[in-house]
Amino acid sequence: QKEVEQNSGPLSVPEGAIASLNCTYSDRGSQSFFWYRQYSGKSPELIMSIYSNGDKEDGRFTAQLNKASQYVSLLIRDSQPSDSATYLCAVTGGFKTIFGAGTRLFVKA
Amino acid sequence: AAGVIQSPRHLIKEKRETATLKCYPIPRHDTVYWYQQGPGQDPQFLISFYEKMQSDKGSIPDRFSAQQFSDYHSELNMSSLELGDSALYFCASSSGGVETQYFGPGTRLLVL
Repeated sequence: QKEVEQNSGPLSVPEGAIASLNCTYSDRGSQSFFWYRQYSGKSPELIMSIYSNGDKEDGRFTAQLNKASQYVSLLIRDSQPSDSATYLCAVTGGFKTIFGAGTRLFVKA
Repeated sequence: AAGVIQSPRHLIKEKRETATLKCYPIPRHDTVYWYQQGPGQDPQFLISFYEKMQSDKGSIPDRFSAQQFSDYHSELNMSSLELGDSALYFCASSSGGVETQYFGPGTRLLVL
């Protein structure tokens, strides 16, 4: 079992819809949780960071963390074609960050 | 704002050759991470350094070594290159171990 699991997708949503991306992790001692967006051949770009249980909103993005369930999610509202990318969930404990395999999101115009 | 700088951006080597990748972190960042990302794969953590000391080690082959220098830049040395080493190599930096990592643009290594 991978330490950080994501549905590889692809997840396809129409433009303007809400895209929901999910991630589970195995290490209960994990401290920091991140969502990165990665376009093909480019470096991961930070979308959201979350450290405590609950919701964190930034523009069209909302991250949700539930440490008891070892679950973190990312909601993208009003999805745009430019949101089409691979979304990587990353979980940090100490000086090591483990990435999930990523979920490919397609937003259809 | 200054970002993470990696050099070279592209590198072509032959099997059994040696390669050195360089990473210059964001100013005042004291932690550097190295990742390897093969085609269609997620980034695999190789090694990290905090305040010039190795802080954690992932799936880094014994043929690879790395260090962080007094100016906080880091170098990844890769010897006896194999075809399977062809990948994107990302460096990321942060201020402290649990803080947000910011990625550099990557070095694309092709081993022929």
